[in-house]
Amino acid sequence: DVKVTQSSRYLVKRTGEKVFLECVQDMDHENMFWYRQDPGLGLRLIYFSYDVKMKEKGDIPEGYSVSREKKERFSLILESASTNQTSMYLCASHAGVQRSGYTFGSGTRLTVV
Amino acid sequence: GQSLEQPSEVTAVEGAIVQINCTYQTSGFYGLSWYQQHDGGAPTFLSYNGLDGLEETGRFSSFLSRSDSYGYLLLQELQMKDSASYFCAVRDQGSNYQLIWGAGTKLIIKP
Repeated sequence: DVKVTQSSRYLVKRTGEKVFLECVQDMDHENMFWYRQDPGLGLRLIYFSYDVKMKEKGDIPEGYSVSREKKERFSLILESASTNQTSMYLCASHAGVQRSGYTFGSGTRLTVV
Repeated sequence: GQSLEQPSEVTAVEGAIVQINCTYQTSGFYGLSWYQQHDGGAPTFLSYNGLDGLEETGRFSSFLSRSDSYGYLLLQELQMKDSASYFCAVRDQGSNYQLIWGAGTKLIIKP
């Protein structure tokens, strides 16, 4: 089974801190995604990457950046954390095969105080 | 704009059958997927429909009608563990497997 691992399950950070959320997948998938999920707002795409060093903005990229230096690792960076970035962050990967679905990590619940 | 519409909440009884509908309005279409998410958990992939018709996987089935821009997820012999949120998602044509997501349907199962 594909495994997507997010480094932290729960994280508490202070306003203004630089925050790194790490995501690693073990099945050589080319496509990786970062979402945030908030009650009533569903899943919103922050950034995605379809290859090493390639990245594309999603629907809500402001205040975030990403890094993909190796195929298996896709990092989300909050440049200067703010309280409105308190959320559940979900990383996903996809095999690039039409009938396959996303595999999600277990999520990181980030609280910015 | 691009959107997927699904009911916010559905209630059913244990052992019964429930259908969760999804209508979509997207500029392109490359298949309809369904995901399940338990409270506090991550979404997990349930099914994919690329062509019209019914796909069955155990107690779960998914249906697609491209001419109606409509699909549904059918859950049979409901169990308490099926209490979760269910999301439909459409792959937009030409995208790098980006999905457009519905807001999710919370399925409440009563004993």
